[in-house]
Amino acid sequence: DAGITQSPRHKVTETGTPVTLRCHQTENHRYMYWYRQDPGHGLRLIHYSYGVKDTDKGEVSDGYSVSRSKTEDFLLTLESATSSQTSVYFCATAGTDDFPQHFGDGTRLSIL
Amino acid sequence: QKEVEQNSGPLSVPEGAIASLNCTYSDRGSQSFFWYRQYSGKSPELIMSIYSNGDKEDGRFTAQLNKASQYVSLLIRDSQPSDSATYLCAVARGVGTGKLIFGQGTTLQVKP
Repeated sequence: DAGITQSPRHKVTETGTPVTLRCHQTENHRYMYWYRQDPGHGLRLIHYSYGVKDTDKGEVSDGYSVSRSKTEDFLLTLESATSSQTSVYFCATAGTDDFPQHFGDGTRLSIL
Repeated sequence: QKEVEQNSGPLSVPEGAIASLNCTYSDRGSQSFFWYRQYSGKSPELIMSIYSNGDKEDGRFTAQLNKASQYVSLLIRDSQPSDSATYLCAVARGVGTGKLIFGQGTTLQVKP
């Protein structure tokens, strides 16, 4: 929805390796968000962006970094993946800070 | 106390009945509220947004907001088996941040 593409859709990797997830949007939305979703915890905000090169931390940002060099792309990097970062990751976008947010299809990441 | 609380369910209703989903939140300053539907293995999909006290209707869905009681609900009339999903309540955190806090979701089962 809202022209949001997440890649890859599935990934399996090993502990200690760096991982980058990509979110690409075609709606020219200013705001972009990365969430993780885990059983028992619901959706939790990792990082968000309110413009090109403007990012801020969410509630579970440790071990993650982000970059936004273009309006359409928001990258999430796991600097050194750990098994606790096994999760489903969702990207969301919004045109304004007044919402609503629309979600991409998600990336299922498994870290062994 | 969690910032956004929902009963995890499952809530089971017969086909054709009214399903009532409830959500409470802790931040009295919250101004924007959203209901998302999430089918198993899929991404959250926005179904309702509400900003003012009272009821907002959209087809078979009615969102109700009571800021004094810090309570928001979603009614689904004439429930269908296709409504079986997890319903996520989301509350905007602060003003101008674009950040949402999600409840853990209520699983709804509509039985034919």
